[in-house]
Amino acid sequence: EVQLVESGGGLVQPGGSLRLSCAASGFTFSSYSMNWVRQAPGKGLEWVSYISSSSSTIYYADSVKGRFTISRDNAKNSLYLQMNSLRDEDTAVYYCARVPMATTGPLWGQGTLVTVSS
Amino acid sequence: DVVMTQSPLSLPVTLGQPASISCRSSQSLVYSDGNTYLNWFQQRPGQSPRRLIYKVSNRDSGVPDRFSGSGSGTDFTLKISRVEAEDVGVYYCMQGTHWRTFGQGTKVEIK
Repeated sequence: EVQLVESGGGLVQPGGSLRLSCAASGFTFSSYSMNWVRQAPGKGLEWVSYISSSSSTIYYADSVKGRFTISRDNAKNSLYLQMNSLRDEDTAVYYCARVPMATTGPLWGQGTLVTVSS
Repeated sequence: DVVMTQSPLSLPVTLGQPASISCRSSQSLVYSDGNTYLNWFQQRPGQSPRRLIYKVSNRDSGVPDRFSGSGSGTDFTLKISRVEAEDVGVYYCMQGTHWRTFGQGTKVEIK
């Protein structure tokens, strides 16, 4: 089955760290660029980070630049998001997503909830 | 940064009637390769987002043909020809030309 499954969410204090993982299956993971997108409670969607298939190109939203690090392990079919210096406003559901801009074939995970609170 | 502005933000519709959502970008979305990377997403209550349209007017696999996208440059539209109950949710436009930016979302509900 073609799917993305996120894990690693939870409750963390402000200033803390968390590492999200996304396990891909059912498709050739190494052929696709990947993304993290988040959604704060009751709010809209925000693109967080992008990584190309070979990890040669990486982008971050200004809101997370310098604090979050995206990476991937194509041998393990996995995508990661290392989140440091977490703030209250980082509280959100984080989605792993395959969203090619030029072709069809989008795929989203079910999301993992990150709550930053003391 | 590119700002995406959707209207309306709330859209009550009658079942079987058409619906239309507008999306305007703060700068042209034509990329250097000649393509316009404008997408439309649907998010049903309690579900992950789902893309409906890519490159302005191309439907993703499995998307009903009652959904259509149009536009160019900075002005784009998503149309639902006949709204069905399963279309209730929030719709987002998203540009992929200048990094990635979502619109604020348009909530579609049944009257």
